[in-house]
Amino acid sequence: SQQGEEDPQALSIQEGENATMNCSYKTSINNLQWYRQNSGRGLVHLILIRSNEREKHSGRLRVTLDTSKKSSSLLITASRAADTASYFCFPRTGANSKLTFGKGITLSVRP
Amino acid sequence: KAGVTQTPRYLIKTRGQQVTLSCSPISGHRSVSWYQQTPGQGLQFLFEYFSETQRNKGNFPGRFSGRQFSNSRSEMNVSTLELGDSALYLCASSLDRISEAFFGQGTRLTVV
Repeated sequence: SQQGEEDPQALSIQEGENATMNCSYKTSINNLQWYRQNSGRGLVHLILIRSNEREKHSGRLRVTLDTSKKSSSLLITASRAADTASYFCFPRTGANSKLTFGKGITLSVRP
Repeated sequence: KAGVTQTPRYLIKTRGQQVTLSCSPISGHRSVSWYQQTPGQGLQFLFEYFSETQRNKGNFPGRFSGRQFSNSRSEMNVSTLELGDSALYLCASSLDRISEAFFGQGTRLTVV
């Protein structure tokens, strides 16, 4: 199985600032997915980027993928207190891959 | 479209008992995965079912088992409960084994 390694482990920013989170992985992928988890609740799928895509946008989210470096970044622009959560990346290698998660990134957005 | 439904939401059991948790995936989804989440260990993969067959299994003892029915609904069972089994159990469904996963709200199990 493959899991992403998120970086940094924790991030604290002021409301209105941008938050950048990084993910690295080890083998070739079919797609890479980002999820968010608010405290004690289920994970929410945020965005999926395919291996042949380099950048994708969804509202205030911007995801980039560099398959040559085996890395992805998630940018949240104009952050809000409601963005406070844990963020996880998941590189999907294929149909036989386990959906396993790393430690995630704890984002705190201060009002 | 209804989301992933997990029942029950909360459960308190005594050591030594067994428990069955249920997960109803999004209609049309054929893949169901289960996770255990604790503050110390984070999100741990339990198992994945696709078309009624277990496709992957995590590193958990045999006390943890599961199954998937023909309508894609899934159950997981934990026998001989231990205090350390107290956790949030999450179920996720996806259309296939590549697509994005949709999570339920989880079942909070407390073993006393």
